[in-house]
Amino acid sequence: AQSVAQPEDQVNVAEGNPLTVKCTYSVSGNPYLFWYVQYPNRGLQFLLKYITGDNLVKGSYGFEAEFNKSQTSFHLKKPSALVSDSALYFCAVRVGGSNDYKLSFGAGTTVTVRA
Amino acid sequence: NAGVTQTPKFQVLKTGQSMTLQCAQDMNHEYMSWYRQDPGMGLRLIHYSVGAGITDQGEVPNGYNVSRSTTEDFPLRLLSAAPSQTSVYFCASSYAPPDGYTFGSGTRLTVV
Repeated sequence: AQSVAQPEDQVNVAEGNPLTVKCTYSVSGNPYLFWYVQYPNRGLQFLLKYITGDNLVKGSYGFEAEFNKSQTSFHLKKPSALVSDSALYFCAVRVGGSNDYKLSFGAGTTVTVRA
Repeated sequence: NAGVTQTPKFQVLKTGQSMTLQCAQDMNHEYMSWYRQDPGMGLRLIHYSVGAGITDQGEVPNGYNVSRSTTEDFPLRLLSAAPSQTSVYFCASSYAPPDGYTFGSGTRLTVV
C-alpha cells in the first residue's frame, strides 16, 4: 500500500501567483511528514517537516505546509511563486517501527513557474 | 562540512558486471539509506542502516548488497548488473528521527 500520494504530476503557475503542491498520506499513528525539492541534476534538499504541534509549518525559501489530520493531507504552499521555484517536489512520510527510520516518498510533482 | 559524498557521479556498466557505489558522510549520522530514482516512481528505498554493523532491506533490495562497517561509510554493491538497474542512485543520512535526511548529489548508472 502506498504510504504517500502526490495526485498531480505537474503544477503550472504564473510568477507571483500562489503555489500549492498536494500530498496525502496513509500511515498508522502520528506521522512524521517531510517536503523535499530537487533541482535539475541535483540531490534532494530538505524544505520542511511536520512532527507535532502547530499544523502550519514554515520552511526554507518561503515555503510552508499545512498538516490536516482529518484529511490526512500535508500540502505545500507558497504565497507568491518565483521562476526559480521551478523544480521537482517530493512529499515523504516516515514508515516502519520505532527502531528504524525509513522515509517513503511520493512520485513527485514537477512545478513550472512561468514568467 | 562535506555532507554526504557519493562516487562516482556517472557510470556505465555492461550487463553482468559488478560494481560498488560509494557513500560517505562526515556528520556522525547514525541513519543511512540508499534510494533509487526512476521517472514517475519517485524514490524507492533499497537498503538502510540504523548504525554501524546494522543493515536491513528496503522496498527494492534484490540485486543489491550493503554493509556498514563504520559510521561514515555505506557502500552499495551491485552483484551482477542488469538493464533494470539503470537509474539514479541517492545516498542519504540523518542523525536521528525526526531530523530530515541529507542527500548526496547522486550517481547516474546506465547498464547496457
